[in-house]
Amino acid sequence: AQKVTQAQTEISVVEKEDVTLDCVYETRDTTYYLFWYKQPPSGELVFLIRRNSFDEQNEISGRYSWNFQKSTSSFNFTITASQVVDSAVYFCALSEAGTGANNLFFGTGTRLTVIP
Amino acid sequence: ETGVTQTPRHLVMGMTNKKSLKCEQHLGHNAMYWYKQSAKKPLELMFVYNFKEQTENNSVPSRFSPECPNSSHLFLHLHTLQPEDSALYLCASSQGTGRGGRDTQYFGPGTRLTVL
Repeated sequence: AQKVTQAQTEISVVEKEDVTLDCVYETRDTTYYLFWYKQPPSGELVFLIRRNSFDEQNEISGRYSWNFQKSTSSFNFTITASQVVDSAVYFCALSEAGTGANNLFFGTGTRLTVIP
Repeated sequence: ETGVTQTPRHLVMGMTNKKSLKCEQHLGHNAMYWYKQSAKKPLELMFVYNFKEQTENNSVPSRFSPECPNSSHLFLHLHTLQPEDSALYLCASSQGTGRGGRDTQYFGPGTRLTVL
């Protein structure tokens, strides 16, 4: 079973619109970490955020915000007032403390296109 | 110098060729990783090295041969590849061994490999 599900394959928005990227995860560990990465056309995965399972506080960084809800196993990512530079593929990922390994389980990504 | 660099950025090779991908990290990290990113599939972890020692090999075919001479450099030697091996190969590094899942992985820009 896939540990991280990003149901939205592609999203298009017009510049300045807000957009939310969904991420649902599955784990039996009580200690785990959730990540978001951005992959622009250049190919490099850019780290955006890491949250641990004990910290459910939502986080805001500029136009980016993240909503972590353990009750629904979701870690959604919202971009406010989107810009063309936000166009990229966004990946949600999970690592589990119990595996004793370095594995990052990635979702299949959501391609965001911001139209000027 | 940016955090994680990879060369070459693009590579086209025939099935009988031998080539190598190179990764270098300038972050002082101790763990390095190879990932494969194919279209429409989640990123696949291939190999993990901690302090130059291989700790993970996710059932990767022997035509892929990693080498980690020190904590800053990682190579992926390729020989007799198949067309289905065409993909983006990403290198990453993390501060610690990543065990327990807490370490953030930082990625390079990838090598786009095409096997003819």
